[in-house]
Amino acid sequence: DIQMTQSPSALSASVGDRVTITCRASQSINSFLHWYQQKPGKAPKLLIYAASSLQSGVPSRFSGSGSGTDFTLTISSLQPEDFATYYCQQSHSTLYSFGQGTKLEIK
Amino acid sequence: QVQLVESGGGVVPPGRSLRLSCAASEFTFSTYAMHWVRQAPGKGLEWVAVISDDGTNKYYADSVKGRFTISRDNSKNTLYVQMNSLRVEDTAVYYCVREGFTMVRGVEVWYLDLWGRGTLVTVSS
Repeated sequence: DIQMTQSPSALSASVGDRVTITCRASQSINSFLHWYQQKPGKAPKLLIYAASSLQSGVPSRFSGSGSGTDFTLTISSLQPEDFATYYCQQSHSTLYSFGQGTKLEIK
Repeated sequence: QVQLVESGGGVVPPGRSLRLSCAASEFTFSTYAMHWVRQAPGKGLEWVAVISDDGTNKYYADSVKGRFTISRDNSKNTLYVQMNSLRVEDTAVYYCVREGFTMVRGVEVWYLDLWGRGTLVTVSS
């Protein structure tokens, strides 16, 4: 099974900050890496697919990069609505797996 | 609008069974693979199972293999999961999720592009 590890697990930041979240796979997953945002009490929402493609309707301040085993999600200028939990997920293996999540909190 | 709506959650004692349903609307259900993903209270996301668009291929997480069965009825635009021998650790919100795909340098890449709101399953005596 492919293990996904995110860092940090939690992050405090201010509106306007640039934030980067990392995700590492236990083996190469090429570009089969996706990012989701989840707000309390809500279903996750797809932000980035195939490592760097922005889902329709997602603001351009979100961006993704990486390939192989190391990936990043960057928010260029945090907005109040961006405070949420973020998950990475791999689809290289038939058995999908998620990172443990990164909770982004207001400083 | 395009949506997935789960139903069937509730409180059930350990060892019993429950079947969840997911009704799909406003998209061609029969052309998409579908997944179940769960989230225990206060925890992260856990992938549970997937079924191919025609129902012939099914895969499960080790934590549910042999106890859960994913199925679909394309004539009814509905996805199911039959959960048997339920355990306390199966307590979670269960999400029904559609799989989308794109081509990257000639390779199909699959991702989870449409999520339902979820249904809560509580396993407790």
